[in-house]
Formats: sequence, structure tokens, C-alpha cells
Amino acid sequence: EVQLVESGGGLVQPGRSLRLSCAASGFTFENYAMHWVRQAPGKGLEWVSGITWNSRSIGYADSVKGRFTISRDNAKNSLYLQMDSLRAEDTALYYCVKDDQSSTYWYFHVWGRGTLVTVSS
Amino acid sequence: DIVMTQSPDSLAVSLGERATINCKSSQSVLYRSDNKNYLAWYQQKAGQPPKLLISWASTRESGVPDRFRGSGSGTDFTLTISSLQAEDVAVYYCQQYYSNLTFGGGTKVEIK
Repeated sequence: EVQLVESGGGLVQPGRSLRLSCAASGFTFENYAMHWVRQAPGKGLEWVSGITWNSRSIGYADSVKGRFTISRDNAKNSLYLQMDSLRAEDTALYYCVKDDQSSTYWYFHVWGRGTLVTVSS
Repeated sequence: DIVMTQSPDSLAVSLGERATINCKSSQSVLYRSDNKNYLAWYQQKAGQPPKLLISWASTRESGVPDRFRGSGSGTDFTLTISSLQAEDVAVYYCQQYYSNLTFGGGTKVEIK
């Protein structure tokens, strides 16, 4: 069974940093692109960032470009999101998501349950 | 970025009746070289992560009931639930993957 388990969320002050992690199991992690998608409380879905299987292609939403950094460790079956200079508008549930492709971005095939990030003073 | 616009924002349908959700993209998501529409649909029930229902505009995921049908091409797409069941109460999102990745705003489906 494919499983994605996020961790690292919490309450953080504006301007500070947080690092999210996602532990993947049940599939060959290195064969798939991966993403972070977020959902603000009571709002819709927003793609945050994606990374291809070999980390050669990385993409970011304009809203986080220059502040967030996605990375992966295929040996550890793990995906990461380093979030710097956090703002109140970054408050959301962050989902780790498996793509159905390896070297480009398609649709969001399997979702984790999310980790909540709250940015507030 | 391609803007995805869903309508209506919400709808209430009687059990057993048809529910129709529309999704319009600001530019075509039909890739001519492979004649595929780069459009997916998701279902999100309360307190749960989204679930992929349909990819390539009309291909149902394994295990998705056949009462869910995706249709359309180019810029106009529809998700139809042919006979609404109680377990279909959810918010539905469309998403394009033709250029970057963007979602529609969601459509909430309730029981009348």
C-alpha cells in the first residue's frame, strides 16, 4: 500500500523557518516525481512545489519562489520542504503528493494526510 | 498561468439524481502531439485529503465507481455524477497539468 506520512508542521512566528518531511513507502520512490500541495483553512488547493525523480527539474509557485526549497533523498525514500521567511498567508495544511510520472509534472496520484503549518506571532 | 474556473460553487442534488460540475480553463489544455487533455478531477471529503478520480479528462482511476464520468476537451470540461449517492458528498476540484499545475476553486456537492 502506498503511504505518504508528513511531519514537521507546527506553530511558527512570521519570518522564521520550518522544515517539512515526508516519508514514503509502498512504492519505488525514486521512480516518481513528488510534490507539496497546500490548503489554507477552509480554502481550496494550491500547488506549492514539485521535483522530478532525479531532482533535475524543480518548480515553485510564484507565491513561495525564493522562500521555499524542495528536495528529496531517494536513498531514504523522503521528500522535504524547507520553508524560510514564513508569512501568515503560508498558514495551511501541507500535503505530500506522489505524481504518476517520473520526469515531468502530471496529476496528483496519491496524497498524504498532511501536516499543519501555522504562522502567527 | 492557466486559470481554472469551476461552476457552480456549490450545488444540492437529490439522492439518485444527476450532479454536473463544470470546469473551464483560460487556455486549451489539449496537447496536439498526443491528442490528450491534461485535466484531472479530485474528490475531497470532509476531514480527508483529496482523492484522484479522473485523469486525462475522462480516464477513471481504478476503483472509482462508474457513476463518475469526465468529459470535455480543449477549454471546457464536465464531471458528471450520474446517480448521486450519500457518500458522494464532497468538494470536487479540477486541475490542469498542461502548463505548470493549477486547480479550480472547487465545487461543493450536497444532498438536497
